[in-house]
Amino acid sequence: SAVISQKPSRDICQRGTSLTIQCQVDSQVTMMFWYRQQPGQSLTLIATANQGSEATYESGFVIDKFPISRPNLTFSTLTVSNMSPEDSSIYLCSVESDTLSGNTIYFGEGSWLTVV
Amino acid sequence: ELKVEQNPLFLSMQEGKNYTIYCNYSTTSDRLYWYRQDPGKSLESLFVLLSNGAVKQEGRLMASLDTKARLSTLHITAAVHDLSATYFCAVDIKRQGNLIFGKGTKLSVKP
Repeated sequence: SAVISQKPSRDICQRGTSLTIQCQVDSQVTMMFWYRQQPGQSLTLIATANQGSEATYESGFVIDKFPISRPNLTFSTLTVSNMSPEDSSIYLCSVESDTLSGNTIYFGEGSWLTVV
Repeated sequence: ELKVEQNPLFLSMQEGKNYTIYCNYSTTSDRLYWYRQDPGKSLESLFVLLSNGAVKQEGRLMASLDTKARLSTLHITAAVHDLSATYFCAVDIKRQGNLIFGKGTKLSVKP
């Protein structure tokens, strides 16, 4: 299994500011994924982060708003730029990892952002 | 565009009863995942279903996958209060680990 650490776990942010979320994995992985979960909603994929190449964004998400870095095979960051109250969400990173019963996709504990 | 539909979205059960949550998806896939989320928590992996006809069981929960019908089920047997949570199914159509989620089923088990 994979152990995924996210920082910060929670934050209250001022409108118009930017915040960078860090995701650290305890093993090397090819791809890391960033999701958003708005209050009371399901999870939506923001982007896929590959080491050594630009992130691939899903429809509705753009690099200027959610720049992503992937400097090595165990670490990634997601920045939420120029925040507004609509960005108040849980942001989660995930990775795929081999287990005895097959590949499982694990999630970090999440970063709970409130924009005021 | 892939759609993943869960039903019901809300489920109130009495302890000891059985029930099934359904997950339909619109595009061919043989990778389906079930997760549990407790309030204020992240997602806990429950089951990974990787082939047609796959069935997995853990305690009072059993999940199955029918890739031809594009349907997965999560069956709850003799529900207990500790099973109260939101359950999500998710489909991986690219086989890369990027998931499309259903809206979730909020389960409440009452004594």
